[in-house]
Amino acid sequence: DGGITQSPKYLFRKEGQNVTLSCEQNLNHDAMYWYRQDPGQGLRLIYYSQIVNDFQKGDIAEGYSVSREKKESFPLTVTSAQKNPTAFYLCASSTSEPYGYTFGSGTRLTVV
Amino acid sequence: AQSVTQLGSHVSVSEGALVLLRCNYSSSVPPYLFWYVQYPNQGLQLLLKYTSAATLVKGINGFEAEFKKSETSFHLTKPSAHMSDAAEYFCAVTKFNNDMRFGAGTRLTVKP
Repeated sequence: DGGITQSPKYLFRKEGQNVTLSCEQNLNHDAMYWYRQDPGQGLRLIYYSQIVNDFQKGDIAEGYSVSREKKESFPLTVTSAQKNPTAFYLCASSTSEPYGYTFGSGTRLTVV
Repeated sequence: AQSVTQLGSHVSVSEGALVLLRCNYSSSVPPYLFWYVQYPNQGLQLLLKYTSAATLVKGINGFEAEFKKSETSFHLTKPSAHMSDAAEYFCAVTKFNNDMRFGAGTRLTVKP
């Protein structure tokens, strides 16, 4: 079945470390997105990519980086510059038509 | 720019009662509107979408929503709540460019 796979489901990071969250889709979607979710704040857009080798900053890109070398993959790196990285991270993908996004099951990142 | 406002961060209903979750949108052009549901520690799942066809949209799990242009609303309803409906619900809006904006979410509690 087609879908989006995020891994790992839970991730623990020590302060000062970079960590990379994986997002893979087999839906043949052109666009992919990363969101951060904190309690009571809804979803905030970190980065998005509409085609391979191109991506754009969202509303809260500081302290994060991404790459889009393959259509299927859009990994997110949380760098040590991100001051408060503990959150639930969601990856999504879509076609170019406005018919909705497909979401992965999320990665919960905790700084220890 | 388009945006959505969800009225009420928490809604509580009794099992078997009507569910009404409110969403108002702001958009300078005819919007595409969506409702998503999120269960704990999971991604978002598309419930239903309005894409300028019928104004009354039926979705999964017995939910429906009505697009009212005069009221700029897209409220989500279900005639009879079930315990399994307890979750967080997000309203979202986009234009043709698929730049989706999410509301802050409404947590639905269903009492036995």
